[in-house]
Amino acid sequence: GENVEQHPSTLSVQEGDSAVIKCTYSDSASNYFPWYKQELGKRPQLIIDIRSNVGEKKDQRIAVTLNKTAKHFSLHITETQPEDSAVYFCAAVYYGNNRLAFGKGNQVVVIP
Amino acid sequence: GAVVSQHPSWVICKSGTSVKIECRSLDFQATTMFWYRQFPKQSLMLMATSNEGSKATYEQGVEKDKFLINHASLTLSTLTVTSAHPEDSSFYICSARGKAIENTEAFFGQGTRLTVV
Repeated sequence: GENVEQHPSTLSVQEGDSAVIKCTYSDSASNYFPWYKQELGKRPQLIIDIRSNVGEKKDQRIAVTLNKTAKHFSLHITETQPEDSAVYFCAAVYYGNNRLAFGKGNQVVVIP
Repeated sequence: GAVVSQHPSWVICKSGTSVKIECRSLDFQATTMFWYRQFPKQSLMLMATSNEGSKATYEQGVEKDKFLINHASLTLSTLTVTSAHPEDSSFYICSARGKAIENTEAFFGQGTRLTVV
């Protein structure tokens, strides 16, 4: 099945700076790429997703970029705030197999 | 967003007994449900994918006879940990997705903390 790698595993940023998390995937047939955020003690929630026919998508301070040729996609958080501190999970999904498997997660720590 | 409710939130059981965890979609029809296991500070490990009315598809290394998954209706899926042992202690979490032409958002339950003593 699809294999997703996330890096870095831990990222510390100063409040107000930007954070970038990168995921690479193996299956070129993957066509849906969601990002989930899990705060401590809470359930994961979708924050942004992108489909393979789009190269970039933005929602306020969050953006995702997709490079299909290189098979990687990245989450960009600008003007980071303490509430952005969480674990972020990415996935690469092919609709044909309906399998939602995540990468290992990135711990983002925003330092006030 | 849609609501997925998981029950119980936590359970303690004796070694050798079985435990059933329920995952319900409260306001939408969940054609697909996913079951994950999460260790402290670690990723969501996909255990199996179940489609309503079909047998679950288990990930490699997950024992289907150990972790019984039933998705009998469009609003309910259950995970039964059979003959539980201390090494099965973990955080189990489900997510559910409705029917769509393309992939859409999956909504997560609040998770179940299982402790086997």
